Amino acid sequence: DTAVSQTPKYLVTQMGNDKSIKCEQNLGHDTMYWYKQDSKKFLKIMFSYNNKELIINETVPNRFSPKSPDKAHLNLHINSLELGDSAVYFCASSPTSGGEYEQYFGPGTRLTVT
Amino acid sequence: RKEVEQDPGPFNVPEGATVAFNCTYSNSASQSFFWYRQDCRKEPKLLMSVYSSGNEDGRFTAQLNRASQYISLLIRDSKLSDSATYLCVVYLGQKVTFGTGTKLQVIP
Repeated sequence: DTAVSQTPKYLVTQMGNDKSIKCEQNLGHDTMYWYKQDSKKFLKIMFSYNNKELIINETVPNRFSPKSPDKAHLNLHINSLELGDSAVYFCASSPTSGGEYEQYFGPGTRLTVT
Repeated sequence: RKEVEQDPGPFNVPEGATVAFNCTYSNSASQSFFWYRQDCRKEPKLLMSVYSSGNEDGRFTAQLNRASQYISLLIRDSKLSDSATYLCVVYLGQKVTFGTGTKLQVIP
């Protein structure tokens, strides 16, 4: 059984388009995250939700909007895509929002903006 | 100074060697620490937590030095399968920061 799943796995789109990435976890965790890993492999947190409530919102353009319909899902919508948005986006979940437990990552969504 | 810093490597070591990585963190109030492993084109996965007293898991030993604000990972008897990028992770409350990773290549 997949613990943290993301769709799509690959996404190729043109500049200016709007796209969404979906994430679901079946672990019963309270906290979910979105990370961006750029071409230099730097993994940077973008957002974190705990029980559907936004708790971390790092400095990202407001073209990025997370949505958590329930605590098992955290989707990421990106408006007006730019070349610099090309990266791998990872979703993750953990039992709590603190540092007591590990994070479980999804397989990643490789976004290419042309 | 970056919040969490790692030597990017790559560290190229022969099979059977012992290799150690360090990771420094800037905020002395940081509370918990982990090492993750990321294989090429895969997601990060937890390798081990880092406890104040140090901890060992098979060939892997993690240590925390709060006075000098760094954590370390020691790998003994390196295997080809240890080739990966090793990421340190630092928590300050709910804020989590990943290091940029250290790439390890174990050579036959």
